[in-house]
Amino acid sequence: DAGVIQSPRHEVTEMGQEVTLRCKPISGHNSLFWYRQTMMRGLELLIYFNNNVPIDDSGMPEDRFSAKMPNASFSTLKIQPSEPRDSAVYFCASSLSRGGTDTQYFGPGTRLTVL
Amino acid sequence: EDQVTQSPEALRLQEGESSSLNCSYTVSGLRGLFWYRQDPGKGPEFLFTLYSAGEEKEKERLKATLTKKESFLHITAPKPEDSATYLCAGAEGGGNKLTFGTGTQLKVEL
Repeated sequence: DAGVIQSPRHEVTEMGQEVTLRCKPISGHNSLFWYRQTMMRGLELLIYFNNNVPIDDSGMPEDRFSAKMPNASFSTLKIQPSEPRDSAVYFCASSLSRGGTDTQYFGPGTRLTVL
Repeated sequence: EDQVTQSPEALRLQEGESSSLNCSYTVSGLRGLFWYRQDPGKGPEFLFTLYSAGEEKEKERLKATLTKKESFLHITAPKPEDSATYLCAGAEGGGNKLTFGTGTQLKVEL
């Protein structure tokens, strides 16, 4: 079975450019999560969706970050404009939410470098 | 504020040398305690979920246990392929928000 798919796997961009990260959750899952991982802060939740609706975006660092989920099989995380401090690995995870505590399955991540 | 603290930060073991990793948490209304394994350049891979104090789960050389304030991941007779970073996370009241610890980097040597 296909797991969570993320693209691109690596992105190198210059400060000020727009960056779009993409995620395809596991088929049938109805919750989707975006995380950021850095050496200093570890793994942090940015935003999560349930049934394509954003539920909690309190982890989004600032207005430069935005996320969308136009349908059940696709989500994007956009950074505009990007800054060097945004350099990190960004993970997407999905789960089948049944109203309890659900296991999240992670994608391989996108390593973002902003020069 | 929900917090999850893991210790030690790094651990080096000889093959066959058993040990334990610790995860202490202060998560309001804890709904579950998760353990993940992360290999370099990859996403976290799910290992276990524990829901209540006293619960234990096992998988090959790994056993996870849970008390009211902490969880342990016991590694029995580890092999080099067990080398990875082990992450624990607490699920708060709603069940969907995970607060992760910063992980224990385990290296098992021959």
